[in-house]
Amino acid sequence: DIIMTQSPGTLSVSPGERATLSCRASQSVGSDLAWYQQKPGQAPRLLLSGASTRATGVPATISGSGSGTEFTLTISSLQSEDFAVYYCQQYNNWPYTFGQGTKLEIK
Amino acid sequence: EGRLLESGGDLVQPGGSLRLSCAASGFTFSTYSMNWVRQAPGKGPEWVSVISSGGGTTYYADSVKGRFTISRDNSRNTLYLQMKSLRAEDTALYYCAKVAVEATKYNALDIWGQGTMVTVSS
Repeated sequence: DIIMTQSPGTLSVSPGERATLSCRASQSVGSDLAWYQQKPGQAPRLLLSGASTRATGVPATISGSGSGTEFTLTISSLQSEDFAVYYCQQYNNWPYTFGQGTKLEIK
Repeated sequence: EGRLLESGGDLVQPGGSLRLSCAASGFTFSTYSMNWVRQAPGKGPEWVSVISSGGGTTYYADSVKGRFTISRDNSRNTLYLQMKSLRAEDTALYYCAKVAVEATKYNALDIWGQGTMVTVSS
């Protein structure tokens, strides 16, 4: 199975600042990488697929980059609604696997 | 905008069985692969199973292989997960999720239900 490792586990950032989250795959997944946002009591919400393509309704303040084994999610100018847990997921092959998550909290 | 609505979660004893359902609306259900993903309390999501659009291909996580069966009824726009020999470690919120692109084998999951809770405990 492909192991997805996210860092850091928790990221404290002030509103209006930039946040950079990382995700590493144990083997190449090409660009078959998705990012999800999850808020308490809600299902995960798809933000990005193909490592960098925003899903419908996702603001341009959220961007993704990377390919192969190293990926980054960047949120520029953090708003209150951005504070949540973020997961990366590879869909290059079954079993799909998720990272353990990065909690983005208000500093 | 598509919607998914899970049901069937319950408190069940170890070794017991349960069938989950997921009713789909707002999209052409029969053209998309569908997945089950679970999330234990305080943990990250864990993918469980996938079924192709026509139902002919299925795949399972090793943790549930041989105990869970995924199926679908395209005439009823409904996805199912039959679970047997349940264990305490199967306790989780179970989500059904749709792949983002029709007629694809592998893809991101763009629509999720609200989940149904399965608790395995004596």
